[in-house]
Amino acid sequence: KAGVTQTPRYLIKTRGQQVTLSCSPISGHRSVSWYQQTPGQGLQFLFEYFSETQRNKGNFPGRFSGRQFSNSRSEMNVSTLELGDSALYLCASSGTAPGLAKNIQYFGAGTRLSVL
Amino acid sequence: AQKITQTQPGMFVQEKEAVTLDCTYDTSDPSYGLFWYKQPSSGEMIFLIYQGSYDQQNATEGRYSLNFQKARKSANLVISASQLGDSAMYFCAMRGTEIQGAQKLVFGQGTRLTINP
Repeated sequence: KAGVTQTPRYLIKTRGQQVTLSCSPISGHRSVSWYQQTPGQGLQFLFEYFSETQRNKGNFPGRFSGRQFSNSRSEMNVSTLELGDSALYLCASSGTAPGLAKNIQYFGAGTRLSVL
Repeated sequence: AQKITQTQPGMFVQEKEAVTLDCTYDTSDPSYGLFWYKQPSSGEMIFLIYQGSYDQQNATEGRYSLNFQKARKSANLVISASQLGDSAMYFCAMRGTEIQGAQKLVFGQGTRLTINP
């Protein structure tokens, strides 16, 4: 059974560049959420998409953006990267899928971004 | 605003012993959900157990149980018969009802559990 897939797993970028991360949710799930995990701030909610619409947003600057496609796949983009953007970015999906509890967020393995 | 507090940064337990990981929460939402996730060193967050605020009984999933005390605003995770593979970070999280159907988890700082052979 396929879980949440995040690509790439690792990224190295330099300050000022932009980056795009991808998330493919569990088949049948329509909600995709993104989280940032850092040693200092812990796990923080970035935003959630449902049916191609942003339904909820965390307290992050406008450099962080996302979108969702009609097949529920989601991307998040960070522009003008800063050193502090170095983090593990986790994607989670939820919804209706056989054998899985509804309204539980299931996470991918994350994308580890390093900004030099 | 919602807040999750995990007061144990690290715990060391002997294999096969039971372990309790503490979690207290604060919210003004009348309806909310409480979750526990496990994060091994690989980074993936693994869902363990869920408790709804209106559930009458404590949730159980195999070796995991959630000791839910609503009046004390606590939702402790109990792992019975610990195994070496239980060594990981454990996060308590909450979801409120700010926007109907919206999914936003608020996490605690986590507890690093180490199981000793």
